[in-house]
Amino acid sequence: GQQVMQIPQYQHVQEGEDFTTYCNSSTTLSNIQWYKQRPGGHPVFLIQLVKSGEVKKQKRLTFQFGEAKKNSSLHITATQTTDVGTYFCAVTNTGNQFYFGTGTSLTVIP
Amino acid sequence: EPEVTQTPSHQVTQMGQEVILRCVPISNHLYFYWYRQILGQKVEFLVSFYNNEISEKSEIFDDQFSVERPDGSNFTLKIRSTKLEDSAMYFCASSLTGWEQYFGPGTRLTVT
Repeated sequence: GQQVMQIPQYQHVQEGEDFTTYCNSSTTLSNIQWYKQRPGGHPVFLIQLVKSGEVKKQKRLTFQFGEAKKNSSLHITATQTTDVGTYFCAVTNTGNQFYFGTGTSLTVIP
Repeated sequence: EPEVTQTPSHQVTQMGQEVILRCVPISNHLYFYWYRQILGQKVEFLVSFYNNEISEKSEIFDDQFSVERPDGSNFTLKIRSTKLEDSAMYFCASSLTGWEQYFGPGTRLTVT
């Protein structure tokens, strides 16, 4: 099945620092989604990117889809303790089967 | 705000027993999914369901697994003969469009 690699696996930041997680695929993607999972919680949909080079912002979160549609990034500016959790990217090739990345676990140190 | 609900929140069963995990998707949604997540690992796709039939299934979803939408509101996942390695958190999700998915809180399945 579709493989998506996420880096880093873990990231510890001081509150107020920035954070970025990357999602990489060996094949061209039709779209990519990002989810956040709080500790002990369930995945929560954040955004979907479809167009090559697309950039979308949600408050302190910036999502980018690469020009070749093989990679994506999620950047958080000035992290807060509420940003703690694991961030997953998810891709689909058929539209009904979703492959989640390995996730980046973010710890924010107050 | 509408949400996906799942019952039970925790199920403990003995190896070889059958379990049924239940989900109530958001009422006007059309696409339904089951995922599992082994502790500390990534979310793994099991199956998607649309128009009263399975649309996709993964290699994990073998003959031991089945899904049903028995009454137009519930969506169930049955594991016929549980194995130790089936221990995981099972998430149900639903979607109106087939893209943005809303996940339920999960059922933690422990097989002893």
